[in-house]
Amino acid sequence: GAGVSQSPSNKVTEKGKDVELRCDPISGHTALYWYRQSLGQGLEFLIYFQGNSAPDKSGLPSDRFSAERTGGSVSTLTIQRTQQEDSAVYLCASTLYGGPGGNEQFFGPGTRLTVL
Amino acid sequence: QQQVKQSPQSLIVQKGGISIINCAYENTAFDYFPWYQQFPGKGPALLIAIRPDVSEKKEGRFTISFNKSAKQFSLHIMDSQPGDSATYFCAASMLYNQGGKLIFGQGTELSVKP
Repeated sequence: GAGVSQSPSNKVTEKGKDVELRCDPISGHTALYWYRQSLGQGLEFLIYFQGNSAPDKSGLPSDRFSAERTGGSVSTLTIQRTQQEDSAVYLCASTLYGGPGGNEQFFGPGTRLTVL
Repeated sequence: QQQVKQSPQSLIVQKGGISIINCAYENTAFDYFPWYQQFPGKGPALLIAIRPDVSEKKEGRFTISFNKSAKQFSLHIMDSQPGDSATYFCAASMLYNQGGKLIFGQGTELSVKP
């Protein structure tokens, strides 16, 4: 595809349930990022993957959050035992890290998560 | 030290006017300062970006002014149009360190009145 895609676009779940959010980055992009945008808030960094390096998990808010990137492409963000404060838009971005574009991050449309 | 502070939270400008959004940062290791534009229901899109070796960068109606000593940068939108109505985020990162992860400001909701 031409851009970063995310699925689902909307997810409503009940408190305590686990959810999986998917990101398909731009083909060939080596770096992938997850951010969270809470209502009325800026974007908050969650986790970053670059090639085969260990991911930077420094932004994950709790151990209920985890992410993986399979085959250097698709990434899944998993939230276990969801809480109401997890309600937010989860955004994925990718970039050709170290490329001539100055590491411009291209964002997907996001997944809006609502925890009831 | 990782914070980026953005103001104002919201801004109303008449068509044809100048919109100005300001940001301040603490970490002097930041070396990349992009501005992102976000429309409702969409992901942010890069508008314009600057490195600290220049004090100003202009692309069309959009200009970034950068003051390294004050650790501040601002976005100027000249001849603002209703189509510019969106949320604008400033950000900062270490381009080739810490994975280039972006630290965002809180956002400014711009409304341009016809």
